Amino acid sequence: KQEVTQIPAALSVPEGENLVLNCSFTDSAIYNLQWFRQDPGKGLTSLLLIQSSQREQTSGRLNASLDKSSGRSTLYIAASQPGDSATYLCAVLSRSQGNLIFGKGTKLSVKP
Amino acid sequence: DAGVIQSPRHEVTEMGQEVTLRCKPISGHNSLFWYRQTMMRGLELLIYFNNNVPIDDSGMPEDRFSAKMPNASFSTLKIQPSEPRDSAVYFCASSLNQGAANVLTFGAGSRLTVL
Repeated sequence: KQEVTQIPAALSVPEGENLVLNCSFTDSAIYNLQWFRQDPGKGLTSLLLIQSSQREQTSGRLNASLDKSSGRSTLYIAASQPGDSATYLCAVLSRSQGNLIFGKGTKLSVKP
Repeated sequence: DAGVIQSPRHEVTEMGQEVTLRCKPISGHNSLFWYRQTMMRGLELLIYFNNNVPIDDSGMPEDRFSAKMPNASFSTLKIQPSEPRDSAVYFCASSLNQGAANVLTFGAGSRLTVL
């Protein structure tokens, strides 16, 4: 059974820092991996999707990498801003289960 | 498009009462998902539909939970009778089923509190 783990559970950084969020998964048989952002009291917004055949995806200040063989992904946020404060969730679309399996998220706080 | 629309946004009810949560997916999307989010367990898939047909309901916790999708533009998740441990945020999401390129769009969620 696929399991997704995100470390750390919470992270606080000063504005302007570059930071990395980590995601690991136990079964490498995936279709894709997605990173979502969730603001308090809101739904999830898709940030980046990496296909299983890809190594990374970039969108603005965000860069997500995927190492399927080791079961790891990172989300890199450059020049962090207070507006980046949110919970970031990683999810894999597992071949065996056919649906998105989520990690519990990393709660990011960027201090001005 | 208004996105995935869920109602109610907040529901407070007493133990034993019936709860019905509603979802309108994005027009044209053919897959619909119901998730539950709690602090302890994170986001868990309850059930998903493809072309209005339930594909996987193995995440539905017990017989008190039921979900229907009578047509492509509407789905309900019902809890009867409700219990305090059902308190959570319930999310509906939809997608245009594209296999490996599947991107889900989430609604804003329905926060349920069972007293």
